[in-house]
Amino acid sequence: GIQVEQSPPDLILQEGANSTLRCNFSDSVNNLQWFHQNPWGQLINLFYIPSGTKQNGRLSATTVATERYSLLYISSSQTTDSGVYFCAVVRGTGFQKLVFGTGTRLLVSP
Amino acid sequence: DAMVIQNPRYQVTQFGKPVTLSCSQTLNHNVMYWYQQKSSQAPKLLFHYYDKDFNNEADTPDNFQSRRPNTSFCFLDIRSPGLGDAAMYLCATSRIAPGSSYEQYFGPGTRLTVT
Repeated sequence: GIQVEQSPPDLILQEGANSTLRCNFSDSVNNLQWFHQNPWGQLINLFYIPSGTKQNGRLSATTVATERYSLLYISSSQTTDSGVYFCAVVRGTGFQKLVFGTGTRLLVSP
Repeated sequence: DAMVIQNPRYQVTQFGKPVTLSCSQTLNHNVMYWYQQKSSQAPKLLFHYYDKDFNNEADTPDNFQSRRPNTSFCFLDIRSPGLGDAAMYLCATSRIAPGSSYEQYFGPGTRLTVT
């Protein structure tokens, strides 16, 4: 099956710093989502981005489907950005299982 | 706002005592999923309903069952919870149809404790 790896596994930032999280996948995909899991466990949709670039406030994401990777940019980080960031992918059309990456744990300190 | 709702947010049950978790959605999506997530791990799919069709993952224990009485509601039943079933349970929905994105939307989760 498809493999999804994220880097770095852990990241510690000072408030106000910028960061880039990476997601590599081993095969072509039809769907790629980025999620933020907050410290209370809620999984929040950040982006649906099978290709191209999207921006939402301080966050932006880019997926280069031909090279099988996606990047999540966080600018001017805040303590509320802390948590675990997952990318997840789907191959094929119709029902296909969402395959989660290994996650990046982010801690933003004041 | 359209959303995925899970109740309760926290559930404590005793070893071996059946428990039911509930999920509802106002998105009118045709697919509903149940995931189990343990500490420091990614969510693991247990099963999903595609309309009324139930689809079990091969490695989901028989102890876990699900019901979907209508489009909006889906239940997760754990018949005899063991200590290893303590986890966060996440419900998700998506719309599978020609031209749809298959994007999945997650509820806030139910954290299950087994004593």
